[in-house]
Amino acid sequence: GAVVSQHPSRVICKSGTSVKIECRSLDFQATTMFWYRQFPKQSLMLMATSNEGSKATYEQGVEKDKFLINHASLTLSTLTVTSAHPEDSSFYICSARGGTEGYTFGSGTRLTVV
Amino acid sequence: AQSVTQLGSHVSVSEGALVLLRCNYSSSVPPYLFWYVQYPNQGLQLLLKYTTGATLVKGINGFEAEFKKSETSFHLTKPSAHMSDAAEYFCAVSPLTGGGNKLTFGTGTQLKVEL
Repeated sequence: GAVVSQHPSRVICKSGTSVKIECRSLDFQATTMFWYRQFPKQSLMLMATSNEGSKATYEQGVEKDKFLINHASLTLSTLTVTSAHPEDSSFYICSARGGTEGYTFGSGTRLTVV
Repeated sequence: AQSVTQLGSHVSVSEGALVLLRCNYSSSVPPYLFWYVQYPNQGLQLLLKYTTGATLVKGINGFEAEFKKSETSFHLTKPSAHMSDAAEYFCAVSPLTGGGNKLTFGTGTQLKVEL
């Protein structure tokens, strides 16, 4: 079946630094990838939709300059949290559209900003 | 526009008992419907999905769901709960066409299985 690899699974960074999260589709081409943020005990909040070779589309209220998304190839999308602050601490999940399941999710990244 | 309502943020059942997790949706176009399971600090795993055809959909781990258009529902059931079923469950909808193919999630239901 379709597999999406997301790295790192956990990261701790200092306030003010940037963190990059990678999302790779391993056995299929993903023209569209989605980035979600999940707060404890809550549902997934869509942050942005990235399409290969074009600019990401951000949801209302999501700062595009803080959450930089790059989708340079059909198998890789990255989310960079710039100048991270403690309030950016969260669980981030990517999803790729494609494969037999329709949408395949990565295993998530727990970001802690200290 | 589309939305998903999951009734009951927490459901508790005894091991061996029936599991019923409720999901109602609202969609202006024919929808695709999904159920996902999430274990702590992990991504989402697809349990089952409805696209077209047979309205009773069977998924992994003994789960199934029935699409009822007249009731705009897609409830998830399992005849006999197992301890390993304890997790967070999300119902989701996406438009059959258009809408950017975005998934809209319900707020989730935490399933607890007791001995």
